[in-house]
Amino acid sequence: SQQGEEDPQALSIQEGENATMNCSYKTSINNLQWYRQNSGRGLVHLILIRSNEREKHSGRLRVTLDTSKKSSSLLITASRAADTASYFCATDRKIKAAGNKLTFGGGTRVLVKP
Amino acid sequence: EAQVTQNPRYLITVTGKKLTVTCSQNMNHEYMSWYRQDPGLGLRQIYYSMNVEVTDKGDVPEGYKVSRKEKRNFPLILESPSPNQTSLYFCASAFSSGTSTGELFFGEGSRLTVL
Repeated sequence: SQQGEEDPQALSIQEGENATMNCSYKTSINNLQWYRQNSGRGLVHLILIRSNEREKHSGRLRVTLDTSKKSSSLLITASRAADTASYFCATDRKIKAAGNKLTFGGGTRVLVKP
Repeated sequence: EAQVTQNPRYLITVTGKKLTVTCSQNMNHEYMSWYRQDPGLGLRQIYYSMNVEVTDKGDVPEGYKVSRKEKRNFPLILESPSPNQTSLYFCASAFSSGTSTGELFFGEGSRLTVL
């Protein structure tokens, strides 16, 4: 199974509501990153949170990280129709003496209805 | 403009006909990676490279080859494509300190169909 797994797989909300999605992982990490993908396009980086950080903000986005539970959450506040996209978490972990690996979860599809 | 460029963007080919998908980045990134995206399976890593002449298998390397002779280029080679390699492919690059990987920059994707 994948290192990072998002929950829920799909989310439908009304414009103006908040959207929360979660990511769980299995092994210790260097950092955890969240990405957004509009249908069939390349992924766009949203936020990187390091393993020694607990919370980060960027505009309407808030990311938390709980390393004891091996989980992270992404909150989008006051959602807009333009936030409709798939959101992926990715975990960066050390796999050998001089190597890191960034692995993606399955993603959460978010639909924001106007 | 900082970018990752993949070519071709769309390709239809036949089983067994060797093909190469090129990937080039202009940000002097150490780390480069190839992913394939299939419905319901998220992004799966094919191969990645920590730096020039250093490549490693990802989660689904079978049927693919890569090389990293120059820092900016990381081509993906399908020696004998099969229909199960029909997919959307993404190349990405990032700075890497050796202790952690930074923000990934993605190409626009290459949609490959193998008949």
